[in-house]
Amino acid sequence: GAGVSQTPSNKVTEKGKYVELRCDPISGHTALYWYRQSLGQGPEFLIYFQGTGAADDSGLPNDRFFAVRPEGSVSTLKIQRTERGDSAVYLCASSLAQAKTYEQYFGPGTRLTVT
Amino acid sequence: AQTVTQSQPEMSVQEAETVTLSCTYDTSESDYYLFWYKQPPSRQMILVIRQEAYKQQNATENRFSVNFQKAAKSFSLKISDSQLGDAAMYFCACLGLQGAQKLVFGQGTRLTINP
Repeated sequence: GAGVSQTPSNKVTEKGKYVELRCDPISGHTALYWYRQSLGQGPEFLIYFQGTGAADDSGLPNDRFFAVRPEGSVSTLKIQRTERGDSAVYLCASSLAQAKTYEQYFGPGTRLTVT
Repeated sequence: AQTVTQSQPEMSVQEAETVTLSCTYDTSESDYYLFWYKQPPSRQMILVIRQEAYKQQNATENRFSVNFQKAAKSFSLKISDSQLGDAAMYFCACLGLQGAQKLVFGQGTRLTINP
């Protein structure tokens, strides 16, 4: 079946602009995660959704970052007033909460470049 | 909370040889899982192998196996009969079963396969 998809694949924006990054999880996966991967680093947790609600947003770096998942499927990560330090790859992952393997399936990521 | 450390930024191995990637972790939780993920240049994180902390037996998946030393909080990955397609970044990750069940990643090891 289809895996996790993310759009756009690459996004270049100017400092101060607003961006939206989209994630389409695997159908039926109730858990959805956003991670941020800076150059040369491992991914870092941003936010976790269980269904429609953000169950844990402790990884969001500041109030310029916001994410939604209104219907419990597609999620959008929104970044306001982008800064050059926001440049990174943003990864989305989904998992089946009932499965006790705890495996997260990752999308290909969106590379965000803030100029 | 968990922390994961990979002390080898880069490793190289001759094709068909065996290589071991190191990982140490720390966690305050009694129930957790450990993972090795592979990230090729395409950016897609691919699960290589999973270990449940409550299992003493080391996990194996074809040419991939782990050496899980729970008391030492060590979780190394052994790749046997290395192939050119194994070249990638490898990330060790820990997932605690409390709360968000988010992955905490190490800094990664870049593996090069020499033909």
